[in-house]
Amino acid sequence: GNSVTQMEGPVTLSEEAFLTINCTYTATGYPSLFWYVQYPGEGLQLLLKATKADDKGSNKGFEATYRKETTSFHLEKGSVQVSDSAVYFCALSNRDDKIIFGKGTRLHILP
Amino acid sequence: DGGITQSPKYLFRKEGQNVTLSCEQNLNHDAMYWYRQDPGQGLRLIYYSQIVNDFQKGDIAEGYSVSREKKESFPLTVTSAQKNPTAFYLCASSLQGARLGYTFGSGTRLTVV
Repeated sequence: GNSVTQMEGPVTLSEEAFLTINCTYTATGYPSLFWYVQYPGEGLQLLLKATKADDKGSNKGFEATYRKETTSFHLEKGSVQVSDSAVYFCALSNRDDKIIFGKGTRLHILP
Repeated sequence: DGGITQSPKYLFRKEGQNVTLSCEQNLNHDAMYWYRQDPGQGLRLIYYSQIVNDFQKGDIAEGYSVSREKKESFPLTVTSAQKNPTAFYLCASSLQGARLGYTFGSGTRLTVV
């Protein structure tokens, strides 16, 4: 079946550090891949997406590349800010019109 | 601006009572979804609906019920049969299936005492 595995948190970094949150997936065919972000007490917001192999999604300085050969969609940012502190979810959608989410990674950025 | 509205933001109920969570969208999206979020468990799908008057069970439908009488509305009832109802409930919608992603509401935190 379809599944998403992402690195467990919390991840704690200093401001301006480089961020990587690993995400790998299991799916047949060519799913769409997503990163969502959740700030405290709020719903999820779509951060970026990629719908085919080798696509790079990007938004607000975050990037992730759809790697079919390694079944990965790692989230990266070159210089994090305190305002990036949140929970990040990797997710996929395959043919059945539902999105499957990873368990989330909590990110803390220290000033 | 279009979006999804969940109400109320916080809800308290006594054990044994049914409670209905509201979800309304004005995005003209066809599909709507309900997820439950618990600490450390990510999001789990409760029910989803791709068209009016039709809905399907998700992974954890037991103890919940839904209706889809209007395209804009997808209320979720948490019944007394749900053994552990205290959680954060998220509603979402999508325009053309899930391949382009969902739009989420801001959630309802239900506490059963």
